[in-house]
Amino acid sequence: AQSVTQLDSQVPVFEEAPVELRCNYSSSVSVYLFWYVQYPNQGLQLLLKYLSGSTLVKGINGFEAEFNKSQTSFHLRKPSVHISDTAEYFCAASGGGADGLTFGKGTHLIIQP
Amino acid sequence: DTAVSQTPKYLVTQMGNDKSIKCEQNLGHDTMYWYKQDSKKFLKIMFSYNNKELIINETVPNRFSPKSPDKAHLNLHINSLELGDSAVYFCASSPMTGHEQYFGPGTRLTVT
Repeated sequence: AQSVTQLDSQVPVFEEAPVELRCNYSSSVSVYLFWYVQYPNQGLQLLLKYLSGSTLVKGINGFEAEFNKSQTSFHLRKPSVHISDTAEYFCAASGGGADGLTFGKGTHLIIQP
Repeated sequence: DTAVSQTPKYLVTQMGNDKSIKCEQNLGHDTMYWYKQDSKKFLKIMFSYNNKELIINETVPNRFSPKSPDKAHLNLHINSLELGDSAVYFCASSPMTGHEQYFGPGTRLTVT
């Protein structure tokens, strides 16, 4: 069984500063990894995905993530955040089967002016 | 065009009632899912379904049942609603099992 750990429940950062949201996964088999963003009272929007290939993955809204197999990590980064990035961010993993995504508990990104 | 849609967006009902939430996707995907997001925003898979296979999370009470009239629809029926069923329910679809999923806007269910 997989597990996904998001180490920070809340991350405050100043506008235009860089940010990293941490995610670690636990899996004994191949794993696909995802980051989703949830704005208040909305559904989840896919930011980026790692299925195979290059370990540096670029997504929408200027976000990127790096798959690190030895560290079992998939941290999300953005070089300069904006007020509009304030949201809940979820890391998720799949073993490739039909049993759905396993989500982390989420990280609330708070952008301070 | 909305890719994954759910109705209703809000549902308020009393304990003991039976209710359904509808989900439709126009992405041509073969696999659909239902997730429950609790008050702490934790997301948990309830069901995954494609033309051939239904996978049920073993922790889901049998009061919950998915019904798929066709490939583009996966409805969620809930019998004998309980206070603990209050949550946001999300439908999702995927082009291939295990790959990225696209989520609907959610249905906020409140049981009083």
